[in-house]
Amino acid sequence: DSGVTQTPKHLITATGQRVTLRCSPRSGDLSVYWYQQSLDQGLQFLIQYYNGEERAKGNILERFSAQQFPDLHSELNLSSLELGDSALYFCASSVTPYLNTEAFFGQGTRLTVV
Amino acid sequence: LAKTTQPISMDSYEGQEVNITCSHNNIATNDYITWYQQFPSQGPRFIIQGYKTKVTNEVASLFIPADRKSSTLSLPRVSLSDTAVYYCLVGDEAGANNLFFGTGTRLTVIP
Repeated sequence: DSGVTQTPKHLITATGQRVTLRCSPRSGDLSVYWYQQSLDQGLQFLIQYYNGEERAKGNILERFSAQQFPDLHSELNLSSLELGDSALYFCASSVTPYLNTEAFFGQGTRLTVV
Repeated sequence: LAKTTQPISMDSYEGQEVNITCSHNNIATNDYITWYQQFPSQGPRFIIQGYKTKVTNEVASLFIPADRKSSTLSLPRVSLSDTAVYYCLVGDEAGANNLFFGTGTRLTVIP
């Protein structure tokens, strides 16, 4: 158990809908990272927050957004969903503000868009 | 941010030492090299990170030659439970705006 909690574990929704994925980082970790893993794209970094502020941005679509709240949990919002958004979404956390660092990953949320 | 190249797959017998090499020809001066392990339907797990020469921890060693254009993850005496995908990442701690995991190396340990 990495200490990072993601909810829900599974999500099935229709095209055009909007969903919110939630992540609770390890106690004491200030950084939260979001990743998307699909069969054809591998593991892609989406975005990082550190202590409430956006720190780094990767391959995140404009239809996707995220935020980190004062209690340090984070939410990833996916809107206008398309079939191609079906993937595993991972959240990771770290005590440091760095991008390439020891990060602890959650179990992921499997999103299926039908 | 430097991109990486790894073998797509490797097979090894139980009890053998496994070396997985990652090429990162355009690694920058401030870049570190990090390896993660991932089991099916689980999040990646940090294995080791290094900058130069050799780093060892309780699960693996990381060898980095002087030119730092490649690195080798060494797993001593693998067991069936080491069957997983291994990812090499290269980037500086401060972070350019992206981080590439690459396709990883699928290691299969055979009894």
